[in-house]
Amino acid sequence: SQQGEEDPQALSIQEGENATMNCSYKTSINNLQWYRQNSGRGLVHLILIRSNEREKHSGRLRVTLDTSKKSSSLLITASRAADTASYFCATSPPGRRALTFGSGTRLQVQP
Amino acid sequence: SAVISQKPSRDICQRGTSLTIQCQVDSQVTMMFWYRQQPGQSLTLIATANQGSEATYESGFVIDKFPISRPNLTFSTLTVSNMSPEDSSIYLCSVVDRRNEKLFFGSGTQLSVL
Repeated sequence: SQQGEEDPQALSIQEGENATMNCSYKTSINNLQWYRQNSGRGLVHLILIRSNEREKHSGRLRVTLDTSKKSSSLLITASRAADTASYFCATSPPGRRALTFGSGTRLQVQP
Repeated sequence: SAVISQKPSRDICQRGTSLTIQCQVDSQVTMMFWYRQQPGQSLTLIATANQGSEATYESGFVIDKFPISRPNLTFSTLTVSNMSPEDSSIYLCSVVDRRNEKLFFGSGTQLSVL
């Protein structure tokens, strides 16, 4: 079963708008990571946030982590059509290297 | 970052046959992971392939159905045995960068079983 759930399942926005995706997980974690998948193929790593961090930025990406609520959010600012993809959060429990993936959010950015 | 070559990129197979997927990494890695992504779904871990020992399978996956080889630190194969249409999925291999704990993925194998 999946470690976490993401919402929304699907999101459609206009270019230039911001996109926010949320992720919830169930167990304690070492870190939480966000990945992007284009056209159902290989995943690309976006950003990693450790369990002792609350917020992290990378370019147009902003990730927050609330370990008390077991939740994270990914914000993409000033979205572009090229941001159209599926986005997955993934968690790494203590003592385990393999990641457990959330259910994913399909983002569509309209030009 | 690790560069992972995975092949085949796609295949269409007949029910009851087997397909072996290969994964080659450009550096030595201790653990390689095999994931399955069913149509429209997220990724589910099949097993962890360890060099020098048997693979560790997740709940719901068994060695007879998904035998894995790991002959060295840069290569692994996953075989999907006695295929049925329910095995139609994308199969992905991945490795973890121990320096930063990021996962790197191959480009995936799109399998369709008729």
